[in-house]
Amino acid sequence: DIQMTQSPSVLSASVGDRVTLNCKASQNINKYLNWYQQKLGEAPKLLIYNTNNLQTGIPSRFSGSGSGTDYTLTISSLQPEDVATYFCFQHNSWYTFGAGTKLELK
Amino acid sequence: QVTLKESGPGMLQPSKTLSLTCSFSGFSLSTSGMVVSWIRQPSGKSLEWLAAIDWDGDKYYNPSLKSRLTVSKDTSNTQVFLKITSVDIADTATYYCARSLLPGYNFDYWGQGVMVTVSS
Repeated sequence: DIQMTQSPSVLSASVGDRVTLNCKASQNINKYLNWYQQKLGEAPKLLIYNTNNLQTGIPSRFSGSGSGTDYTLTISSLQPEDVATYFCFQHNSWYTFGAGTKLELK
Repeated sequence: QVTLKESGPGMLQPSKTLSLTCSFSGFSLSTSGMVVSWIRQPSGKSLEWLAAIDWDGDKYYNPSLKSRLTVSKDTSNTQVFLKITSVDIADTATYYCARSLLPGYNFDYWGQGVMVTVSS
């Protein structure tokens, strides 16, 4: 199985901050990496697919990068509505999610 | 407009079989490249992909749960079903169905989820 490790598990930041969330795979996943946002009590929402492709309707302050085993989700200017838990997901070899990063406002 | 909605028993006893239904509209599972997956999430925890069925009727299962899972679809291609046998407390979770359009399991649309509690 491919294991996905997200860091940090909790991140506190202020409105307007540039925020970076990390995801590390246990082996090369060839950029088959998605990011999902889950707000409290809601289903996850697709933000980024295949490392750096912004899903339709997602604000441009969200971006993704990475290759091999290391990937990042960046929010260029944190907004209050971005408070959520963010999950990475690999679909290179079967399908596994990371444990999530909870993003809070400072 | 793509929508998915899960339904299930709410609560069931250990050792029973859990039956879930995903009803969807706005797309057809007969469309080439279309896939519907089941994903679950215990309260406060991460997500686990369980199973998928594609437009051709091919089925895919999480290897760690494969012996307990059966995914199927109806002939009208508007519903997908999941059965989990021999449930125990560890199967307590919110169960989601989600759509993907290949290439890639991107889960671009999700249902609202259905909470299932396993308890004696």
